[in-house]
Amino acid sequence: QKEVEQDPGPLSVPEGAIVSLNCTYSNSAFQYFMWYRQYSRKGPELLMYTYSSGNKEDGRFTAQVDKSSKYISLFIRDSQPSDSATYLCAVNYGGATNKLIFGTGTLLAVQP
Amino acid sequence: DTEVTQTPKHLVMGMTNKKSLKCEQHMGHRAMYWYKQKAKKPPELMFVYSYEKLSINESVPSRFSPECPNSSLLNLHLHALQPEDSALYLCASSLTWDGNGQPQHFGDGTRLSIL
Repeated sequence: QKEVEQDPGPLSVPEGAIVSLNCTYSNSAFQYFMWYRQYSRKGPELLMYTYSSGNKEDGRFTAQVDKSSKYISLFIRDSQPSDSATYLCAVNYGGATNKLIFGTGTLLAVQP
Repeated sequence: DTEVTQTPKHLVMGMTNKKSLKCEQHMGHRAMYWYKQKAKKPPELMFVYSYEKLSINESVPSRFSPECPNSSLLNLHLHALQPEDSALYLCASSLTWDGNGQPQHFGDGTRLSIL
C-alpha cells in the first residue's frame, strides 16, 4: 500500500465550479499536510500548509484534514481557468527529518 | 516569481559532457534539496543538505554530484549522464531539515535533455 494515495484525475470542470481534490494516507504518524500547485513547465508552488485536523481557508482555497479518517482535501471555490494545473498533496512526519511524501498528483482543467 | 532561483532553465547535453545546475535562495533557509521529476510523476528526492552538510543521498548514481558551497547556494554537477536522466531537476529549500515539518519551497527547475 502506498503511503499517500491521490485521486489521479484528470479532472475537467466548468469555470465557477467548486472543485474537490482528495488524498488518503496510511500512517497516522504523519503530522504535517501540504498542497502544492504545479503549472506546466514550472516548479511546485506551496498553496496550503497545515498541521492539525480541521479546515484552513485562504481566499478561494480551503484545505481540510481529517486525521481520524486519514483523509485530506483541497476545495477550490469559484474555479478559474488560471487554476488549471496539477495539484500535489504531500505529507510529512515532522520530527527527525523533513522528508515529504507526495501523492501522484491530480491534473485539473477549468474550462472557460 | 519563486524565491528559489535555478539556472539554467533548459539544458541539452551529450552523454560525455560535464555540466552543472545551480540553485540559489536568500530566505535564510538552512536545508536545501535536489529532486528529480519525470513527466506526470511527483518529485523524487535525490539529496538533502542541512547546514551545508550532505544529510541524505537517496541512492543516487555517482554521475550526479551535489555541492553546497555556502548556505545560499546549491550545485548539482553532472557527468556521463544517460538518456533516462532526462527530466526536470528541482531545487527546494526549507528553514531546517531536522524537525517540525517545515514547508519546502521549490524553484522552477532545470529541464534537462540528454542526447
